[in-house]
Amino acid sequence: QKEVEQNSGPLSVPEGAIASLNCTYSDRGSQSFFWYRQYSGKSPELIMFIYSNGDKEDGRFTAQLNKASQYVSLLIRDSQPSDSATYLCAFDSGGYQKVTFGIGTKLQVIP
Amino acid sequence: DAGITQSPRHKVTETGTPVTLRCHQTENHRYMYWYRQDPGHGLRLIHYSYGVKDTDKGEVSDGYSVSRSKTEDFLLTLESATSSQTSVYFCAISESRDSTDTQYFGPGTRLTVL
Repeated sequence: QKEVEQNSGPLSVPEGAIASLNCTYSDRGSQSFFWYRQYSGKSPELIMFIYSNGDKEDGRFTAQLNKASQYVSLLIRDSQPSDSATYLCAFDSGGYQKVTFGIGTKLQVIP
Repeated sequence: DAGITQSPRHKVTETGTPVTLRCHQTENHRYMYWYRQDPGHGLRLIHYSYGVKDTDKGEVSDGYSVSRSKTEDFLLTLESATSSQTSVYFCAISESRDSTDTQYFGPGTRLTVL
């Protein structure tokens, strides 16, 4: 059974701080990793993907991947109240993009 | 936003009745997916399609069937709805099987089975 583990939160951070979201996965064959953001009552939207060890930066977002330790993280710098959402970690290890999702971490950015 | 619509957006039905949810895309993407999202479980894949009339089962396919007769439409049918199928259902599409290709999600359908 392929699994993704995330702390469901909520994770509360003050506005302007760095939010750190973490995720571990069980399948060593996993190739690609994704972070989706989901606002309450809305559909998930992709914000980052990463498939190489190390860091990948996109604006205020940085994804970090460590395949040896089987974890992936998402850092959000200068957190804004608009970043308040649930962040879903996911990985893809098979064909036809069969993606396994975590339960998501709820982030609250306090003004 | 990717051109994906789902209908209906909300539905309340009774146990034992058949229910069909529709996903319609205007992107001409080959791959389409049905997920359900429940508290404590996250998104789980029900069925997916890799072309017209080509479908396969996902993680939680029991009690569900799908059909895809046209590129743009992917139907999810609950043959006899049960209360355990109360959930939010999302359709997703992707252009290729490349694992780095983005899956775009539709707005979701909230289904309540009484």
